[in-house]
Amino acid sequence: EAGVTQFPSHSVIEKGQTVTLRCDPISGHDNLYWYRRVMGKEIKFLLHFVKESKQDESGMPNNRFLAERTGGTYSTLKVQPAELEDSGVYFCASSLGTDPNYGYTFGSGTRLTVV
Amino acid sequence: AQTVTQSQPEMSVQEAETVTLSCTYDTSESDYYLFWYKQPPSRQMILVIRQEAYKQQNATENRFSVNFQKAAKSFSLKISDSQLGDAAMYFCAYRPKGAQKLVFGQGTRLTINP
Repeated sequence: EAGVTQFPSHSVIEKGQTVTLRCDPISGHDNLYWYRRVMGKEIKFLLHFVKESKQDESGMPNNRFLAERTGGTYSTLKVQPAELEDSGVYFCASSLGTDPNYGYTFGSGTRLTVV
Repeated sequence: AQTVTQSQPEMSVQEAETVTLSCTYDTSESDYYLFWYKQPPSRQMILVIRQEAYKQQNATENRFSVNFQKAAKSFSLKISDSQLGDAAMYFCAYRPKGAQKLVFGQGTRLTINP
């Protein structure tokens, strides 16, 4: 079974540019999560999709961030315009169900650097 | 607010020795889950061990075990017989029962010295 795939693995962009991160969850996993770790700090929740619907987007930092999950398959997280404080590692995870017994499967993350 | 604190940014241990990573959390909930995740360099984060708060018995997975002290809100991870492959960032995480999102600590970078 393929795992959770994220790309790009690294991205360096200039302040003010736009970047789109992509996450392909495990096939059949209805639940998809985005998290972010700003350098040296804790990993923070951004949002949770159930299929194509946003179940919880309480962690989205501001309206420069837009997440989508068209057709309930892969998800994209767009940052427009990017700011220096957006630098960090963006993690995606998916799960079969919402019960903790299902567990999360994480991707390897996208390291975003805004210069 | 629910918070998770890992007070050790970095730890190192000799191969084959035992190391303990600390984690404390703050919550008013009585039923929740606690997790330790491991992220090797440039690789995906994987679950090491999970503890359900209503279970008093400490979880164990092979060389990994936890010391869960509910009253003290402490959840430390012990790695026995450390191996080079254990080198990674370790994150402690908390999840209230019925909630979907995880609350993570800052992480501890573990180095294994041969």
